[in-house]
Amino acid sequence: DTAVSQTPKYLVTQMGNDKSIKCEQNLGHDTMYWYKQDSKKFLKIMFSYNNKELIINETVPNRFSPKSPDKAHLNLHINSLELGDSAVYFCASSQGRWRGAFFGQGTRLTVV
Amino acid sequence: KQEVTQIPAALSVPEGENLVLNCSFTDSAIYNLQWFRQDPGKGLTSLLLIQSSQREQTSGRLNASLDKSSGRSTLYIAASQPGDSATYLCAAHNDYKLSFGAGTTVTVRA
Repeated sequence: DTAVSQTPKYLVTQMGNDKSIKCEQNLGHDTMYWYKQDSKKFLKIMFSYNNKELIINETVPNRFSPKSPDKAHLNLHINSLELGDSAVYFCASSQGRWRGAFFGQGTRLTVV
Repeated sequence: KQEVTQIPAALSVPEGENLVLNCSFTDSAIYNLQWFRQDPGKGLTSLLLIQSSQREQTSGRLNASLDKSSGRSTLYIAASQPGDSATYLCAAHNDYKLSFGAGTTVTVRA
């Protein structure tokens, strides 16, 4: 039973398209995150949500819009995809700030 | 802004040798520090979590220490095995944000 699951695992799309990545956690956590891992493997935070409220928006272009319908889900919608958006996107969750974070398996996005 | 640095960037050792991985962070106001392992093309697996009030955590052959005042954490892996080959990441957890180092890529030679 996967704790943090992301769909899809792979996504190949053309420039200019709009796509969504879904994330669900079954750990009962109240905080969820989106991270981007670039080609150099560096992990950088994009967004964090606590109890469905946006806490962190780390200077991410407006083309990226997260949505948290409930505490167990945090989806990422990307408009007008660009070549530079190609990366691995990771969803994660934690219980508040004191507990450890658990990561999903990642979504490899390739924009052609 | 939290800056996390990991040294060395890469490490290659013969099987059986002990591994020492270093992590430093600039903002000591952390809630916890977490060590992860990442295999190529895979997600992040949590290895150890050290709360800000703790000095160390142990799990099997892994031991992690934390010196919050000096902004340092060290991951020790005893008696390394080829299966330990992976990238190890440390993350400092501030307010609803984990800041990652660039990782240490470990190769254990059989």
